[in-house]
Amino acid sequence: DTGVSQDPRHKITKRGQNVTFRCDPISEHNRLYWYRQTLGQGPEFLTYFQNEAQLEKSRLLSDRFSAERPKGSFSTLEIQRTEQGDSAMYLCASTRAGPETQYFGPGTRLLVL
Amino acid sequence: KQEVTQIPAALSVPEGENLVLNCSFTDSAIYNLQWFRQDPGKGLTSLLLIQSSQREQTSGRLNASLDKSSGRSTLYIAASQPGDSATYLCAAKDFSGGYNKLIFGAGTRLAVHP
Repeated sequence: DTGVSQDPRHKITKRGQNVTFRCDPISEHNRLYWYRQTLGQGPEFLTYFQNEAQLEKSRLLSDRFSAERPKGSFSTLEIQRTEQGDSAMYLCASTRAGPETQYFGPGTRLLVL
Repeated sequence: KQEVTQIPAALSVPEGENLVLNCSFTDSAIYNLQWFRQDPGKGLTSLLLIQSSQREQTSGRLNASLDKSSGRSTLYIAASQPGDSATYLCAAKDFSGGYNKLIFGAGTRLAVHP
């Protein structure tokens, strides 16, 4: 079963460091989403790609955040100069088309000390 | 701006009970509504997807209904089991900005005790 995979699963970093997360969607899915989830809350939308094009970015995505999907396959989410408020679970999801179910990966849990 | 609310925030029931989880949304112009399950520290598992033109969907012991006019969805779990213990999230697929994204509620934490 080739579901959505994310790497790493856990990341601990010190404030001010840069971190990068990777998401590999289900192979035939052309749409990819990033969400952030803090403790006790539902996931919040961050950004959306259709193939390699980044079509929407949430206002939650500050200038320190950047996401890419260079060949329309895997995606990376980079956070520069991390802050303690960035500590959260970062979730990736993919889907083939609008009406279809979004399939989520296991998430990357980030802790900024 | 779409807002999704889930009530109750937490629920504890004895095994075997039938239960209903509630989800409400403020903007009825949704594309579809999804229910997910999340185990502690894990990603989300999709349970049911209801398109905006549908009224309900069923999968095993789960039944989800959608009433767009009142801005409500319910997830019915029949004959609950300890293995059903998890957080249940509903999410509305929103068209704001022209692109599909999910707007989530904060979830209902369910505990089913033997």
